[in-house]
Amino acid sequence: QVQLQQSGPGLVKPSQTLSLTCAISGDSISSNSAAWNWIRQSPSRGLEWLGRTYYRSKWYNGYAVSVKSRVSINPDTSKNQFSLQLNSVTPEDTAVYYCARSADYLDYWGQGILVTVSS
Amino acid sequence: SVLTQPPSASGTPGQRVTISCSGSSSNFGSNYVYWYQQLPGTAPKLLIYRNNQRPSGVPDRFSGSKSGTSASLAISGLRSEDETDYYCAAWDDSLSGWIFGGGTKLTVL
Repeated sequence: QVQLQQSGPGLVKPSQTLSLTCAISGDSISSNSAAWNWIRQSPSRGLEWLGRTYYRSKWYNGYAVSVKSRVSINPDTSKNQFSLQLNSVTPEDTAVYYCARSADYLDYWGQGILVTVSS
Repeated sequence: SVLTQPPSASGTPGQRVTISCSGSSSNFGSNYVYWYQQLPGTAPKLLIYRNNQRPSGVPDRFSGSKSGTSASLAISGLRSEDETDYYCAAWDDSLSGWIFGGGTKLTVL
């Protein structure tokens, strides 16, 4: 059974960097058949896919246009986890952030972390 | 949202309700539709995959269908515990990413 455990701060100041980590158990970050995603949810924007990282003989990333200039998703093979970094945050980035696995579809999700952007 | 759902739906216990989801050729036209159920304070849970398949553990009261660029989720024998939010999702080839509907809040009267 795949499990995703998220960690990171719940409060970030405007203009700073939001950083979250998703630890994987029951699967490998280097799987050739899965991708590792970050999704957020807010009342104003609904569910919004932010991007993914995946391994197919080499590492690939894909990002949503809405955050492409500010986002980075990176694998950590030594710890079997992946991370999200979102730069220059504003109050509009306040949301519940989820990590999720996709192997054809988004099947396993982390528990979610509410991140508030406020001074 | 790129996918269009009605914001609300309702029914009485035992009834059958349907929730629609409208997409476009770049998502529904060539890819599967997925449905998620989200209980308050929890992550979305996969309800239907590949248009009409149920994961193990999902009651057969839940069914999905897709035709062209539209899809629907049907819930028969409505129960009070079905009162929550439902989302459709699909991969979009133009955006090269996952997209979601705005969600439908189901009320059991």
